[in-house]
Amino acid sequence: AQSVTQLGSHVSVSEGALVLLRCNYSSSVPPYLFWYVQYPNQGLQLLLKYTTGATLVKGINGFEAEFKKSETSFHLTKPSAHMSDAAEYFCAVGAGGGNKLTFGTGTQLKVEL
Amino acid sequence: DAGVIQSPRHEVTEMGQEVTLRCKPISGHNSLFWYRQTMMRGLELLIYFNNNVPIDDSGMPEDRFSAKMPNASFSTLKIQPSEPRDSAVYFCASSLGQGLGETQYFGPGTRLLVL
Repeated sequence: AQSVTQLGSHVSVSEGALVLLRCNYSSSVPPYLFWYVQYPNQGLQLLLKYTTGATLVKGINGFEAEFKKSETSFHLTKPSAHMSDAAEYFCAVGAGGGNKLTFGTGTQLKVEL
Repeated sequence: DAGVIQSPRHEVTEMGQEVTLRCKPISGHNSLFWYRQTMMRGLELLIYFNNNVPIDDSGMPEDRFSAKMPNASFSTLKIQPSEPRDSAVYFCASSLGQGLGETQYFGPGTRLLVL
């Protein structure tokens, strides 16, 4: 079985500051890792994903994440926060058989002026 | 593409009533997922289908919940009878393939309130 832990249910940053959202996973087999974003009253939208190959993955809106097997982590970063980045972010893992994902509990990102 | 379509977008009903949520996946996608999102439990997978066949329904809360996928372009999630604790946002998602790395595309959700 796999699981995901997102540290910090709420993160607040100033506009222009670095965004760092933490995600750690547990999986007995090589995982596939995802970050999704949810804006208010909308469904989830894929930001980026790691399947195989390069461990630094770039996504939409300037976000990127690095898969670190030794640390079982897949933290999401963005060099400079924008007001429009305010949303809830979900980390998810897929592993083993089947194509279902296990989602973390989400991190609400607030961007302040 | 129109994306995943869900209806209704909002539903208010009284306890004991039957509720039917509908989903049209993206054309050509052969996997479909139903999720429930609440403040207390976060995002939970209820059931998913591959090629219209239910693969894993271990997340379905109880017998009051049922899901069907009669064809590749339509699925329903039914709650009968509904209870106040079923109040949540229900999302449908679809993916092109059945592989682990497949992206799931989410619909806008149905916000259900059971009084």
